[in-house]
Amino acid sequence: QVQLVQSGAEVKKPGASVKVSCKASGYMFTGYYLFWVRQAPGQGLEWMGWINPDGGGTNYAQTFQGRVSMTRDTSISTAYMELRSLKSDDTAVYYCARGGARNLDHWFDPWGQGTLVTVSS
Amino acid sequence: IVLTQSPGTLSLSPGERATLSCRASQSVISTYLAWYQQKPGQAPRLLIYDVSRRATGIPDRFSGSGSGTDFTLTISRLEPEDSAVYYCQQYGTLYTFGQGTKLEIK
Repeated sequence: QVQLVQSGAEVKKPGASVKVSCKASGYMFTGYYLFWVRQAPGQGLEWMGWINPDGGGTNYAQTFQGRVSMTRDTSISTAYMELRSLKSDDTAVYYCARGGARNLDHWFDPWGQGTLVTVSS
Repeated sequence: IVLTQSPGTLSLSPGERATLSCRASQSVISTYLAWYQQKPGQAPRLLIYDVSRRATGIPDRFSGSGSGTDFTLTISRLEPEDSAVYYCQQYGTLYTFGQGTKLEIK
């Protein structure tokens, strides 16, 4: 079945960077857009950006531009999200989610299990 | 596009019907609106896409409707496992989510 499995929890100090991975299985990795969404503790969902695994094209939400990079390794069907210059309010669960095959006007399904990133001195 | 969900919290009994609202600050393009269910400690799960289409495996107790700026998720015959936070999302103009409605089953 289609599945996204993310890397484990991270604890980082302010100013550091974090890189979260998302391994896809059960479908053709390069055939679907991959999205990243975060959720601060007790808060709602915030779209961060997307990557097209076929070619590596990206689009980042304005909030994160200059601080986030989304990459992929097609040989292992894995996408990555790196967030730099971490601040305490970056503490959140970070999710990857699959989008559409050829269009960006698409819902997110399925989602990875989430990766908790804690930023604390 | 800002999505505003109401009510913030809804408390109902098993067997009752829940009506959750999602209002957009401007018209949602086409039918590009989805609903997700999130239980504590879990990732969101897709319930409804394109306003009214149920995702695979979602029971027909869940239904979506609406157009333009006003959308509704209806859950009929509530069951205890329906306790969760429900989010709407539009995906026609970038991607935004509502702030969520918490549904409690008494």
